[in-house]
Amino acid sequence: ELKVEQNPLFLSMQEGKNYTIYCNYSTTSDRLYWYRQDPGKSLESLFVLLSNGAVKQEGRLMASLDTKARLSTLHITAAVHDLSATYFCAVMNYGGSQGNLIFGKGTKLSVKP
Amino acid sequence: EADIYQTPRYLVIGTGKKITLECSQTMGHDKMYWYQQDPGMELHLIHYSYGVNSTEKGDLSSESTVSRIRTEHFPLTLESARPSHTSQYLCASRGQPNQPQHFGDGTRLSIL
Repeated sequence: ELKVEQNPLFLSMQEGKNYTIYCNYSTTSDRLYWYRQDPGKSLESLFVLLSNGAVKQEGRLMASLDTKARLSTLHITAAVHDLSATYFCAVMNYGGSQGNLIFGKGTKLSVKP
Repeated sequence: EADIYQTPRYLVIGTGKKITLECSQTMGHDKMYWYQQDPGMELHLIHYSYGVNSTEKGDLSSESTVSRIRTEHFPLTLESARPSHTSQYLCASRGQPNQPQHFGDGTRLSIL
């Protein structure tokens, strides 16, 4: 059974600082997705990572995937308040419910001045 | 921008009522999904469909049912609502395998 673990679950950081969110998963998969959710809102797709070594960047966010280590990272550079949100990673499940995503618990990020 | 619509956005209703949450998408996506999410928590897949007349239960046991008579429409029904059904319900769809799932705005359901 595929399990997805994110850490940290809560992250409070100052503007201008850098930090990394980690997403580990328990069984083989080669597709990983990052989403952002603002309070009371739905999920917005940030990145789609489709192969080992994939790296995607958008603004102050950069995501990478290491399928051998079963690890993805979401790196935040010089954080700004607008990045405050909950970030979810989701991994494609090739097991029981094939072709569906298994979500992590989310990382709630708060960026303070 | 994804075109996937959920109605109602908010619903407060009494125990025992029959409820249908609507989800429609205009992108022609074959795959559609329903997730349940408690505030600030992870998403749990409760139903999915790979096309017309195809429906499957997800990883989280749910007392709801779904139907997929048309590609664009994937409603979720609770025959007799209970307070334990209070949650947010998110609908999503996906096109090509390498594309992300696109989510609707969700329905916040509160059963009194």
